[in-house]
Amino acid sequence: GAVVSQHPSRVICKSGTSVKIECRSLDFQATTMFWYRQFPKQSLMLMATSNEGSKATYEQGVEKDKFLINHASLTLSTLTVTSAHPEDSSFYICSARARGTGNTGELFFGEGSRLTVL
Amino acid sequence: SQQGEEDPQALSIQEGENATMNCSYKTSINNLQWYRQNSGRGLVHLILIRSNEREKHSGRLRVTLDTSKKSSSLLITASRAADTASYFCATGLNSGGSNYKLTFGKGTLLTVNP
Repeated sequence: GAVVSQHPSRVICKSGTSVKIECRSLDFQATTMFWYRQFPKQSLMLMATSNEGSKATYEQGVEKDKFLINHASLTLSTLTVTSAHPEDSSFYICSARARGTGNTGELFFGEGSRLTVL
Repeated sequence: SQQGEEDPQALSIQEGENATMNCSYKTSINNLQWYRQNSGRGLVHLILIRSNEREKHSGRLRVTLDTSKKSSSLLITASRAADTASYFCATGLNSGGSNYKLTFGKGTLLTVNP
């Protein structure tokens, strides 16, 4: 199956710093990538949808200036948590939809990135 | 807002038994998918069933979909300890153009005891 790689898998940072998380599709071109946030023992909450070459579409309640998303190529999307605070600590997961699969169907998920803000 | 709601929230069974998890949703869908997540890991896609399908099989997995009741079930037969994980249903809806969203339920934590 298609592989999505997320990096870093774990990151610890100080409050006020910015953290960048990368999501790469390794063996396919991803026209759309999705970013989710998951709290312990909770479901995945969609944060934003990013299409290659265009601005991300954020879900209601998600601050676009806080969570910067860039999808510069068909294989890479980045999520930057700016001026991180302890309440931003969470598990962030990206997923990707392969080019040519249409607008519905299976998404391929990364392994997630656990962010801890001290 | 959450679309899918799984029940039970937690299920504990013995190896060899069957496990059934249910999912209900509220709005129209294009498809419904089931994913598995091991603790602290990413999601693994298990099976997708389209809105015009009623049942689908994949190995030891059987998924049903009842669009009139807006519900789905995932059956894992002859469970193994390695099946221990959280299982999520997710509803896929294309709201036009490239606006496709996958909305997840809260998940069922399945524990299979050896």
